[in-house]
Amino acid sequence: QKEVEQDPGPLSVPEGAIVSLNCTYSNSAFQYFMWYRQYSRKGPELLMYTYSSGNKEDGRFTAQVDKSSKYISLFIRDSQPSDSATYLCAMRAAGNKLTFGGGTRVLVKP
Amino acid sequence: EAEVAQSPRYKITEKSQAVAFWCDPISGHATLYWYRQILGQGPELLVQFQDESVVDDSQLPKDRFSAERLKGVDSTLKIQPAELGDSAMYLCASSLFQDREAFFGQGTRLTVV
Repeated sequence: QKEVEQDPGPLSVPEGAIVSLNCTYSNSAFQYFMWYRQYSRKGPELLMYTYSSGNKEDGRFTAQVDKSSKYISLFIRDSQPSDSATYLCAMRAAGNKLTFGGGTRVLVKP
Repeated sequence: EAEVAQSPRYKITEKSQAVAFWCDPISGHATLYWYRQILGQGPELLVQFQDESVVDDSQLPKDRFSAERLKGVDSTLKIQPAELGDSAMYLCASSLFQDREAFFGQGTRLTVV
């Protein structure tokens, strides 16, 4: 079993809908959590960075961390076709390496 | 806006040949990472540097891969000899220090033929 699990998708939504993404993990020591967006043949772009549990909002993006359930989420409001990409979650314990999920492919249809 | 620079963007090489990738992290970032990403999968760490020291190379195939960051700034990842299974995207990332967010470059897409 992988340390970080992420549904590969694809997740298809109509333009303007809310995109809901999530990751589960097994290592209770993880305390730094990140979400990246990756377009085809490009490097990952950092979207959100959170520490420990709680919510964080940045524009159309909201990240949630529930450490008790070992579950993190990313919500994208008012989705646009330009949001079509692969979304990667990543996390680490203090002083340890960054571990990625396999990514979820998202398609936002006009 | 500061960026992680990588070169080349694309590389095609024959198996058994040597290949090298270069990375220049964001200025002032002490931690540098090399990741390998196979199509359809998440990135996997090959090696992590703190300044010029290697802090994690547990997943680096040391019989053929080497990495250095001599002055604690830019870094080179080398493969010799390249194998067909090395075809992947090689990503460099940097962070201010180890537990901060990591910023990625655009990657080098390697094809071994």
